[in-house]
Amino acid sequence: GGIITQTPKFLIGQEGQKLTLKCQQNFNHDTMYWYRQDSGKGLRLIYYSITENDLQKGDLSEGYDASREKKSSFSLTVTSAQKNEMAVFLCASSIRQGANTEVFFGKGTRLTVV
Amino acid sequence: GDSVTQTEGLVTLTEGLPVMLNCTYQSTYSPFLFWYVQHLNEAPKLLLKSFTDNKRPEHQGFHATLHKSSSSFHLQKSSAQLSDSALYYCALSGGNYQLIWGSGTKLIIKP
Repeated sequence: GGIITQTPKFLIGQEGQKLTLKCQQNFNHDTMYWYRQDSGKGLRLIYYSITENDLQKGDLSEGYDASREKKSSFSLTVTSAQKNEMAVFLCASSIRQGANTEVFFGKGTRLTVV
Repeated sequence: GDSVTQTEGLVTLTEGLPVMLNCTYQSTYSPFLFWYVQHLNEAPKLLLKSFTDNKRPEHQGFHATLHKSSSSFHLQKSSAQLSDSALYYCALSGGNYQLIWGSGTKLIIKP
């Protein structure tokens, strides 16, 4: 089996700050995802990448940038943190993009903006 | 567009009682449906996924039946356990292979 490691686990930022979240996977999966998890709103896709150096915007990409530096890593940048923002960011991966493909998740980075 | 609806945000049950978490969907395709479970401080993980041949998927005592006529994929278990307390997401894989997620149902099992 594999694992998805997200760093940091907790991130406290200040309003207006640029913040970067990192994700590493050792599944050797092609596709990686960043989701935002808010209570009562499900999982909303921010960015995904189907291969190294590929980037695709999700429904929630405004205010975020992403980078797929290599196959195993995918980072997310909050370009300007919003005051009082609190959310969990989940990184995920799958062997490929497919209709019946299982997605594997990391445990998340919990962001608090003060 | 495609959508997934989970009507219950919170379900509280006593241990030993049956569990049913609702999931309905809208899709212009013939989608695959999934249930993911997230225990506290853990990563979400796949619990069940629908089959193409109308078989009923089962895992850890949970099962779900895809009813295309009613566009539903409700999650059921005959007897709840304390360890079933978690957040449950229903998801749909549509025409562009992206997962569409429901809003989640938090299940609390009390002794």
